Amino acid sequence: DAGVIQSPRHEVTEMGQEVTLRCKPISGHNSLFWYRQTMMRGLELLIYFNNNVPIDDSGMPEDRFSAKMPNASFSTLKIQPSEPRDSAVYFCASSFLTGSYEQYFGPGTRLTVT
Amino acid sequence: DQQVKQNSPSLSVQEGRISILNCDYTNSMFDYFLWYKKYPAEGPTFLISISSIKDKNEDGRFTVFLNKSAKHLSLHIVPSQPGDSAVYFCAATGTASKLTFGTGTRLQVTL
Repeated sequence: DAGVIQSPRHEVTEMGQEVTLRCKPISGHNSLFWYRQTMMRGLELLIYFNNNVPIDDSGMPEDRFSAKMPNASFSTLKIQPSEPRDSAVYFCASSFLTGSYEQYFGPGTRLTVT
Repeated sequence: DQQVKQNSPSLSVQEGRISILNCDYTNSMFDYFLWYKKYPAEGPTFLISISSIKDKNEDGRFTVFLNKSAKHLSLHIVPSQPGDSAVYFCAATGTASKLTFGTGTRLQVTL
């Protein structure tokens, strides 16, 4: 079975450019999470969706960040405009809405903003 | 404001010995706790969990202990193996879905 798929795996961009990260959750999972990992703050939850509906976006750092989930098999995290401090590894995870707290993570996208 | 804290950024243990990774939390509403393991260039993978109604959960070489009064949990790995070398994240939740993670502890198991 395919796990959570993220693309691209690596992204290098210049400050001010738009960045779009993509995620395909595990088929049948109905919750999707976007995390950011940094050395200082560890794994931070940015936003999560239940049944394609955003439930909690309190972790989104600022208006430059936006996330969408147009259907059950696809989500995007967009940063516009990007800044050097956005450099981090971004993870997508999915899970079942009920029955388990266990989340399954994708391999991550390493973003570098120069 | 870290609600889940892993105060040891790194730990080195000899192969065959016990590894003990610690985690503290501040939110009394947390009632379920998980440990994840992360290898370089991979996403975190679930390792073991414990509900607040228990104080111990064991799975093979891995045991998690929960001390609710101290708001402290620990992960014991015994015996430690070189393949256990990874970053370990503690996570907690008090509501469906949302996990709060610590900053991680890098475990190095030496030969």
